[in-house]
Formats: sequence, C-alpha cells, structure tokens
Amino acid sequence: QSVLTQPTSVSGAPGQRVIISCTGGPSNIGAGQDVHWYHQLPGKAPKLIIYVNSNRPSGVPDRFSGSRSGTSASLAIAGLQADDEGHYYCASFDLSLITSLFGGGTKLTVL
Amino acid sequence: QVQLQESGPGLVKPSETLSLSCSVSGGSFGSYYWTWIRQAPGQGLEWIGYVSRSGTTKHNPSLKGRVIISLDLSRNQVSLKLTSVTAADTAVYFCARGDWNYNFFDAWGQGALVTVSS
Repeated sequence: QSVLTQPTSVSGAPGQRVIISCTGGPSNIGAGQDVHWYHQLPGKAPKLIIYVNSNRPSGVPDRFSGSRSGTSASLAIAGLQADDEGHYYCASFDLSLITSLFGGGTKLTVL
Repeated sequence: QVQLQESGPGLVKPSETLSLSCSVSGGSFGSYYWTWIRQAPGQGLEWIGYVSRSGTTKHNPSLKGRVIISLDLSRNQVSLKLTSVTAADTAVYFCARGDWNYNFFDAWGQGALVTVSS
C-alpha cells in the first residue's frame, strides 16, 4: 500500500476533463513537499508531465495542469485525447522515510 | 538532450547479486543526482536509491541494506547492485536523472527487465 494514495482508475470521453487525486500525509505533501506527476504508457518509461506541483516541462500541452493543497495534490487533464491513456503516477518526498515515493498509479481510459 | 541506457543480465538466480549499468550521454553530471527506480510486473514504481556526483548515496530503507549504487564519471556510468535477490526483486529497473532541489526525475532510461529465477 502506497503512502501516496491515488484512485485505481479514472475514465472520460474525448474532449472531457478528468481529475486525478493524490492524497499524502503530514510527512510528505502535508509538510510542504512538492508533488510531481508522471505519465507511463505500456512498456515504456514514465515521462515527467508536471513538476513542482504545477509546472509543465517543455513540450507538455497546457491541457495538463497540477495543483497542491494541504495533504493532497491533483492532476487535471482537459480536452481528453486518445493518447492520454495510460498510467499516471504522483510522486513526492517523505521527510520521515527520507525517501522519494510514488503513488500507486491511476489508469486513465479514454472512452 | 541527455540520454540514459540501462544494461545488464536479464536473468539472475535467487540469492545472487543483480548488477545493472546505466550509460549517460548528452548531459552534465554535476547538477543532478542519479537514481534507480523499479517496477514489478503489473505494479507501481518503487524508488531504490540515488548517487550524487560526489559519490553520496542514499537508498530505500525497505531494501534493508542490499543496495549498492555507484558512479563512474570516467565512463559516464551509474551502477546498481542488489544483493541476495529473491523472486520479489523481479522487475523492470529504470535509471533516471533527479533534480537536487525538488526531487523530480526529468530523464529516464528505457528500463531493463530483470527476472530472478533458478
């Protein structure tokens, strides 16, 4: 069981907006540690899509946005497209474990 | 554009040592740390540990001291050794570049599948 909790799956129709949540605790997100988001396609390496809570690396569309509040963070994907499918992972740092950690991952299905 | 490439044996026997290398090209070692992350079949991501340019290392306590991560600047390589492996160590192993200030991983290798089996 991950220290960062994500829904197992989310889905949406093309063009819709979905939100993926990431719930942590007082030693990671709640302690002000930054949250990052990765997208992984089957058989591929994860790709950074949001860093430091809300920043997009070059080349990531502005349909992707992130936020952090309290002990949680969220990733919003607007205007869903078929190639948005895959797994999404949140990540942060835990001050008690002194390790980087990942959420369990959320599978996004575009209907 | 930095590129990372993992290499090593795809099959390791139980109780033996898993050894992987990560070749880094096209980027500087100085401003980052270099980390290993693994993913068991059908599972999520697990951070294994990191090494800095100066050789400082840190690993996930859950791996109970079985991890050795090192850096060879002359060969632009990062290495991972995981001792006393069991079937639970079967996974795809990724090397990745980490940001010192914010702990995000902005460049990844394609991953190397390692199976632990006799």
